[in-house]
Amino acid sequence: QITLKESGPTLVKPTQTLTLTCTFSGFSLSTSGVGVGWIRQPPGKALEWLALIYRGAKFYSPSLKTRLTITTDALQSQVVLTMTNMDPVDTATYYCAHDFDWSFGYWGRGTPITVSS
Amino acid sequence: QSALTQPASVSGSPGQSITISCTGTSSDVGNYNHVSWYQQHPGKAPKLMIYEVNKRPSGVSDRFSGSKSGNTASLTISGLQAEDEADYYCCSHAGSSAVRVFGGGTELTVL
Repeated sequence: QITLKESGPTLVKPTQTLTLTCTFSGFSLSTSGVGVGWIRQPPGKALEWLALIYRGAKFYSPSLKTRLTITTDALQSQVVLTMTNMDPVDTATYYCAHDFDWSFGYWGRGTPITVSS
Repeated sequence: QSALTQPASVSGSPGQSITISCTGTSSDVGNYNHVSWYQQHPGKAPKLMIYEVNKRPSGVSDRFSGSKSGNTASLTISGLQAEDEADYYCCSHAGSSAVRVFGGGTELTVL
């Protein structure tokens, strides 16, 4: 059974760095073609793809790549996304999701992040 | 890359069929058969409905089908039911790496 769960602060101040953790089970990032992605959704707006990590490979949204870093822990049971220089427009629900066959088949419940001073 | 283009809203009556379009470019939708569709009910996480243009995950109703022609992908829902009322998003592989792009979303109303 594949599960994912996001965790992180609910509130960050402008200019701060956001660190989000995705804790997953039921699959391994060592498996070929399996990845974990991060997607966000501002209130009332569309989904936006942020980043993706596969076995040894990392990919970022071109518009946000200078602010994003995606990593996995040594045991490869968590994926961490950091986003620097947070701004109120980054207020959104942040989801992590299991990626396989070029699609996100399993999602976490999402974690709402508010950027405000 | 720019977001894929979807109609903001579509509607249909129970039992009818509707189609939601998703228009990209030759760099994304038109170049890869890696289009997926997601259903999202209010306050919930998205759910995968279609992957690789026209494949259905286990457990997804066969009332949902996908297709692609050129730079436009489509999601068709037949035999509309009240429970289909939700937001729908398309997503495509974009560029030469594993970069993805989502559509702007379509709100489906079942009249």
